[in-house]
Amino acid sequence: GAVVSQHPSRVICKSGTSVKIECRSLDFQATTMFWYRQFPKKSLMLMATSNEGSKATYEQGVEKDKFLINHASLTLSTLTVTSAHPEDSSFYICSAQQGAQGYGYTFGSGTRLTVV
Amino acid sequence: AQSVTQLGSHVSVSEGALVLLRCNYSSSVPPYLFWYVQYPNQGLQLLLKYTTGATLVKGINGFEAEFKKSETSFHLTKPSAHMSDAAEYFCAVSSGNTPLVFGKGTRLSVIA
Repeated sequence: GAVVSQHPSRVICKSGTSVKIECRSLDFQATTMFWYRQFPKKSLMLMATSNEGSKATYEQGVEKDKFLINHASLTLSTLTVTSAHPEDSSFYICSAQQGAQGYGYTFGSGTRLTVV
Repeated sequence: AQSVTQLGSHVSVSEGALVLLRCNYSSSVPPYLFWYVQYPNQGLQLLLKYTTGATLVKGINGFEAEFKKSETSFHLTKPSAHMSDAAEYFCAVSSGNTPLVFGKGTRLSVIA
């Protein structure tokens, strides 16, 4: 079946530094990937939709300059949290869409970001 | 716009009892519906999905869900709960070319 690899699974960084999270589709090409943020005991909040070769589409309220998304190939999307602050601490999950049908979504295992 | 409402943020059942997690959706177009399970500090695992065709969908781990258009519902059931079913469950909706919209989740506890 389809597999999405997300790395790292956990990261601790100092305030003011940047962190990059990678999301890879291992056995399929993903023209579209999604980035979600999940607060403790809360649901998933869509941050942005990432399309290969074009700029990401951000949801309202998500800072584009803080959460940089790059989707340079059909198998890799990255989320960079720039100048991280403690309030950016969260669980980030990516999802890759298979094909054009729109109903095949595979999720990565998530990244626990802690900013100290 | 699409939305999902999961009734009950926390459901507790005894081991061996019926599991029923409720999900109602709102969609102006024919929906694609999903149930995902999430264990602590992990990503989401697809339990089952409805796209078209048969309205009773069978998924992994003995779960199933029935799409009822007249009730705009997609409730998740399992005849007999197992301790390993304790987790967070999310219902989600999509129109096919849009990102998944998730409900707030239901935490299932299974009591021995």
